Amino acid sequence: DTAVSQTPKYLVTQMGNDKSIKCEQNLGHDTMYWYKQDSKKFLKIMFSYNNKELIINETVPNRFSPKSPDKAHLNLHINSLELGDSAVYFCASSQDRTSRVGFGNTGELFFGEGSRLTVL
Amino acid sequence: DQQVKQNSPSLSVQEGRISILNCDYTNSMFDYFLWYKKYPAEGPTFLISISSIKDKNEDGRFTVFLNKSAKHLSLHIVPSQPGDSAVYFCAAREYGNKLVFGAGTILRVKS
Repeated sequence: DTAVSQTPKYLVTQMGNDKSIKCEQNLGHDTMYWYKQDSKKFLKIMFSYNNKELIINETVPNRFSPKSPDKAHLNLHINSLELGDSAVYFCASSQDRTSRVGFGNTGELFFGEGSRLTVL
Repeated sequence: DQQVKQNSPSLSVQEGRISILNCDYTNSMFDYFLWYKKYPAEGPTFLISISSIKDKNEDGRFTVFLNKSAKHLSLHIVPSQPGDSAVYFCAAREYGNKLVFGAGTILRVKS
């Protein structure tokens, strides 16, 4: 019973295709995220959703569209894939009661195992 | 414009000795700092955190020190064990629970 699970773990596809990565968490958390780990190994936030509402949307191409059907799921759909989209994509979740220090919100994220996307 | 920097790509330590991983940041608005550990083919897992109002937090073999004036934090692992070999990411929190990560440091603990 994995806490944060994402599928598929590996995805190899051609340029121009459309693909989706799914994520589910069974921790009862309110907030879910997508992070991208690029070739330089930096983990960069792409999106975050709180109770199905978009909270963070970093400078990500419009080809990337997150969808949250409910607070336990956050899927990532990518249109017209490009070579530069090759990366490992991590889903994560957290329980955010409040953003104030000392009120139980330490920013701890629970990550999935990652989905390695290779665009040829 | 990396706001969180881990300048050592790798570190090698003998089993039983202390491992010290360093992290520097530039944004004084960060209010929480965290360390994550990552094994190959797995997602990062939370290790330890520290609030910006503290200068030290300890949890078993792991201690994080924060020097706000220098915008520097470090993770000490003592004694180091072979199972500690992993990539360690430093992260800092800003608005909306957004975490900004460093590039990671590969720690190898030799037995």
